[in-house]
Amino acid sequence: SQQGEEDPQALSIQEGENATMNCSYKTSINNLQWYRQNSGRGLVHLILIRSNEREKHSGRLRVTLDTSKKSSSLLITASRAADTASYFCATSTTSGTYKYIFGTGTRLKVLA
Amino acid sequence: SAVISQKPSRDICQRGTSLTIQCQVDSQVTMMFWYRQQPGQSLTLIATANQGSEATYESGFVIDKFPISRPNLTFSTLTVSNMSPEDSSIYLCSVEQGVSGNTIYFGEGSWLTVV
Repeated sequence: SQQGEEDPQALSIQEGENATMNCSYKTSINNLQWYRQNSGRGLVHLILIRSNEREKHSGRLRVTLDTSKKSSSLLITASRAADTASYFCATSTTSGTYKYIFGTGTRLKVLA
Repeated sequence: SAVISQKPSRDICQRGTSLTIQCQVDSQVTMMFWYRQQPGQSLTLIATANQGSEATYESGFVIDKFPISRPNLTFSTLTVSNMSPEDSSIYLCSVEQGVSGNTIYFGEGSWLTVV
């Protein structure tokens, strides 16, 4: 089964608003990464947060990680129409075979 | 960051045939991963391919259906065998890079439609 569950599944906001997406996972992790996928394209890496970090920023992106709750959130501030895409979290686990497992994804639509 | 090229980018395949997807990386990498993304879905890991060893397959994926080669540190292939319409998906090659807190990078994917 998928390691990560994301919510909401879909999100529609107006340009200039903030968008928040959440990711929950099941087992202990080494790190958690967020990716963007434009329709029909490959995935673009956005940000990586390690298991010993709680918050990280990159431009308009802010990621938090709460390992006690096994959850992470991605905040996109001052959204733009170009932010319209699907967003996925991915975790690398500390147990079993070394691999990266993706969450179910959030489809974000930013209306101009 | 690694630059990954996948071929083909798209293909329409006949039921019962096989297709091999190529993944070329512009630098040497130890770990390569193959994912499948069915329409409207998230990514599902098919297998992990390390150079010089057999690929490690995830539950639900078998070598007979998805044979993988990893002849060197910059190249890998995934074959989708005896295709059916259920195999219509995007197939994505990815690699891991980084000294610590490794990041995975993706190719543009190969869109396969089986008719």
